[in-house]
Amino acid sequence: DAKTTQPPSMDCAEGRAANLPCNHSTISGNEYVYWYRQIHSQGPQYIIHGLKNNETNEMASLIITEDRKSSTLILPHATLRDTAVYYCIAVTGGGNKLTFGTGTQLKVEL
Amino acid sequence: GAVVSQHPSRVICKSGTSVKIECRSLDFQATTMFWYRQFPKQSLMLMATSNEGSKATYEQGVEKDKFLINHASLTLSTLTVTSAHPEDSSFYICSAGSAGPNTEAFFGQGTRLTVV
Repeated sequence: DAKTTQPPSMDCAEGRAANLPCNHSTISGNEYVYWYRQIHSQGPQYIIHGLKNNETNEMASLIITEDRKSSTLILPHATLRDTAVYYCIAVTGGGNKLTFGTGTQLKVEL
Repeated sequence: GAVVSQHPSRVICKSGTSVKIECRSLDFQATTMFWYRQFPKQSLMLMATSNEGSKATYEQGVEKDKFLINHASLTLSTLTVTSAHPEDSSFYICSAGSAGPNTEAFFGQGTRLTVV
């Protein structure tokens, strides 16, 4: 799996968009970009994944650069409940074993 | 989405005893499940891959005789921490999902093990 790099922490005001970046410059052609989050003392939760095209679901949007070397997870209207550690993972299949990096601790504040 | 249930959510045991943690896929069959361990303020570390009907595959540095994994059915994998010691105190998490590309993993709620 390609190595991913994320900032260790970010703050966001409630109601504003949270944009979480991820670098994956060595990603291979068959690897997807997956995002999971982990709220304190819970198991990780799947958010979204994509290969080349931008993706959107009820939780978030995923923007992948054309060269696929980086991506951004967007939470359009962050709430206090979105405070969590967000993990970006590059892997061929999300149902396979996952290698978690250190992630980004997102803190949403009033 | 699919649900993976882990039990118990918390357990406290005495040093030297064994503890069993269950991981169930509630609405799908999982030929493969994964066990992770997470120490405080650290990320998840893969311990082993649990394979239905065959032996588990352990990551480097994980003692297979200490962390016994059984995957006897398509919906249940168990992790037994044998002869537990305080350093085994950790958050244990299982996951399951469909193999292949363009799939997602579903995680259990995690088990907080405290060895006293």
